Amino acid sequence: DAKTTQPPSMDCAEGRAANLPCNHSTISGNEYVYWYRQIHSQGPQYIIHGLKNNETNEMASLIITEDRKSSTLILPHATLRDTAVYYCIVRVSYNQGGKLIFGQGTELSVKP
Amino acid sequence: DVKVTQSSRYLVKRTGEKVFLECVQDMDHENMFWYRQDPGLGLRLIYFSYDVKMKEKGDIPEGYSVSREKKERFSLILESASTNQTSMYLCASRATGAGSYEQYFGPGTRLTVT
Repeated sequence: DAKTTQPPSMDCAEGRAANLPCNHSTISGNEYVYWYRQIHSQGPQYIIHGLKNNETNEMASLIITEDRKSSTLILPHATLRDTAVYYCIVRVSYNQGGKLIFGQGTELSVKP
Repeated sequence: DVKVTQSSRYLVKRTGEKVFLECVQDMDHENMFWYRQDPGLGLRLIYFSYDVKMKEKGDIPEGYSVSREKKERFSLILESASTNQTSMYLCASRATGAGSYEQYFGPGTRLTVT
């Protein structure tokens, strides 16, 4: 699985968009980009995933560059409850039953 | 909603004790996972199971064993607990199939071994 690089921490004002970057320069053609987040003292929660195209769901948008070497998770209107550690993961859809390799993630602090 | 539950949120055990951590999911998922999470090391996979009675070692299986006698239940066993097994333990499940990308996690069990 390709390695990902994320900034260790970011701040965002409540109500503004939070843009979380992720570099995955060694990603291969059949690897997906996944985003999870972990709120303090809870288990990780799936947010979104994509392969090539940009994706949007009720939680967030995922923008993947054309060369697929980086991506950005966008929380359009961040709230205090979005304060969490956000993990960017790349992996083949099926490997070892779906094993996820979590890096250190980005600690997002949403401030009033 | 998919629900993954773990038997305890907090557990304190003594060195040498046998410890059972239970995980139950209610969505008929084939795949189940046990991770541990430590500061600075992220989540690391201990064991996973892709079917009843099937198991595969993850990255750090030493000192652990697992049991999957029923599809909905996946147990993690510490045969003889040691202080270096003090950690947060997370269980997850996932369906099998082309559209099954998401792993659902339980709330975690914070285990302290004294």
